[in-house]
Amino acid sequence: QSALTQPRSVSGSPGQSVTISCTGTSSDVGGYNFVSWYQQHPGKAPKLMIYDVSERPSGVPDRFSGSKSANTASLTISGLQTDDEADYYCCSYAGSYTWVFGGGTKLTVL
Amino acid sequence: QLQLQESGPGLVKPSETLSLTCSVSGGSISSSSDYWGWIRQPPGKGLEWIGSIHYSGSTYYNPSLKSRVTISVDTSKNQFSLKRSSVTAADTAVYFCARHRGPPHTAMGPFDYWGQGTLVTVSS
Repeated sequence: QSALTQPRSVSGSPGQSVTISCTGTSSDVGGYNFVSWYQQHPGKAPKLMIYDVSERPSGVPDRFSGSKSANTASLTISGLQTDDEADYYCCSYAGSYTWVFGGGTKLTVL
Repeated sequence: QLQLQESGPGLVKPSETLSLTCSVSGGSISSSSDYWGWIRQPPGKGLEWIGSIHYSGSTYYNPSLKSRVTISVDTSKNQFSLKRSSVTAADTAVYFCARHRGPPHTAMGPFDYWGQGTLVTVSS
């Protein structure tokens, strides 16, 4: 079970859009529609932002959206705000009640 | 509102056993649709799922960590626990407990409730 692959960092200016990719295999991302995304500010617990590939929990702005194609999932944040600056992690179900996380992406809002 | 809170020693000596407890409030740990997990994050690094448990006692572990990890549940105290034996410096991390939902009554769900995390340092 290897960690999912995410870019180490991405950046964007306020108001712009950014997309973070998350690449796995047919045994995790490609095999199930149970991909979730988490936002983590320094010193804080992760916060669920997207689940089941593209569903948003109550209270998460619709600026956050998710998608998946084959073995790669993506998180898109539109209308970037300074408070969006954080680390983002993808997570996928990997079968047999196991989970795998991505290595994390640091989003910088310039 | 469901709340989770980790507790345990912040310092563990190498080769000893790390023991943490997660106390659940605002809901029952015995819900048939709920699974309770441990996730860790070494300083400056990413998240790693350690394992999950159902109130029935069924456990599921990360294959890469399975050999020295035990997760247990105490329904009378609404708590679940993590033990990691023979720790090394590589086990230094913030340890989070979290909930996710799953079968038999619902589809597998994400980690939707998290504790605040507790830092465990392995050092002599």
